[in-house]
Amino acid sequence: DAKTTQPPSMDCAEGRAANLPCNHSTISGNEYVYWYRQIHSQGPQYIIHGLKNNETNEMASLIITEDRKSSTLILPHATLRDTAVYYCIVRVFMEYGNKLVFGAGTILRVKS
Amino acid sequence: DAEITQSPRHKITETGRQVTLACHQTWNHNNMFWYRQDLGHGLRLIHYSYGVQDTNKGEVSDGYSVSRSNTEDLPLTLESAASSQTSVYFCASSVTSTGELFFGEGSRLTVL
Repeated sequence: DAKTTQPPSMDCAEGRAANLPCNHSTISGNEYVYWYRQIHSQGPQYIIHGLKNNETNEMASLIITEDRKSSTLILPHATLRDTAVYYCIVRVFMEYGNKLVFGAGTILRVKS
Repeated sequence: DAEITQSPRHKITETGRQVTLACHQTWNHNNMFWYRQDLGHGLRLIHYSYGVQDTNKGEVSDGYSVSRSNTEDLPLTLESAASSQTSVYFCASSVTSTGELFFGEGSRLTVL
């Protein structure tokens, strides 16, 4: 599986967009990019995933560069409740299962 | 609503005791996973299963075992608990078609 690199921490002002970067320069053509977050003491929560096209859902947008070597998770209007650890993971999509290996993630602190 | 539940949520045990953490999901997902989370290490995969009677070792499987006798349950057993196994344990399940993981609320285990 391709490894990912994320900054250890970021700050964001409440109400502003939070842009969380992830580098995955060794990603292969059949590997998807997944984003999860973990709010203190809770189980991780799925946010979004994509292969090569940009994706958007009710929680966030995922922008993947054309060469797929990096991506950005965008929380359009960050709130205090978005303070969490955000994990970027790349994984081959397998027919019979989908094991995800988590890295250290980025601690996002949303401040008022 | 379908869900994934872990029990017990908190447990204190002694070194050398056998401990079993239960995980039950009602989504009928084929894929189930156990992770442990420690400060400085993030989430690490212990064992996983892609279906009934299928079990696989993750990156930190020593001292742990799992069994999958039905779709709904993946109990995690510590054969002889050690202080190094003091951790928060998360169970997860996923849909093969999307790869999205659904996590339980975690089980905090303390080994004295």
